[in-house]
Amino acid sequence: EAQVTQNPRYLITVTGKKLTVTCSQNMNHEYMSWYRQDPGLGLRQIYYSMNVEVTDKGDVPEGYKVSRKEKRNFPLILESPSPNQTSLYFCASSPVILLAGVDEQFFGPGTRLTVL
Amino acid sequence: AQSVTQLDSQVPVFEEAPVELRCNYSSSVSVYLFWYVQYPNQGLQLLLKYLSGSTLVESINGFEAEFNKSQTSFHLRKPSVHISDTAEYFCALTPRGTYKYIFGTGTRLKVLA
Repeated sequence: EAQVTQNPRYLITVTGKKLTVTCSQNMNHEYMSWYRQDPGLGLRQIYYSMNVEVTDKGDVPEGYKVSRKEKRNFPLILESPSPNQTSLYFCASSPVILLAGVDEQFFGPGTRLTVL
Repeated sequence: AQSVTQLDSQVPVFEEAPVELRCNYSSSVSVYLFWYVQYPNQGLQLLLKYLSGSTLVESINGFEAEFNKSQTSFHLRKPSVHISDTAEYFCALTPRGTYKYIFGTGTRLKVLA
């Protein structure tokens, strides 16, 4: 089954304790992205990756890191989480329209993170 | 900079009535446009998209949207809604030639019996 998986689905942690949320897709998509969803703000893009070893900042990258060492995986790292990073996080992948941009995205089920 | 505006945060409508969810955008370059739907406790899934060609696009479950370049709009419509359409709907764009993806703030559609 074609899918995007995220782990963990739920996480409660404390301020300053480093954490990683994993994301994996089995559709051979070039493009992967991380979003956070907050009430009233919709989804905001944190980081995206156009291919292996190629990443770029979205609109809200502060406090986050990413890496893309393999095509299928795109982990999100919070090196020193703070309470304002409490949110619902989504990973997504997409085929890239050659030279023109990004097509529809396929979303994972989400990770609900609480930072105390 | 590009942006997407969904002015209606909530839209209540009775079952079998028509509905329109509004989406306006701002961009200095051409864009691809999308509508996504999010059912409770789930991720987003694509409803329909405009990449090029016909400005009227349709989904398999009766929704349609029309790309209007002069009004920079991509409103979503359905002539007769069902209870099962209750969900949050997000308009999104990606500027052509870039890899950013920008979402609106979402509209909660509540279909009443």
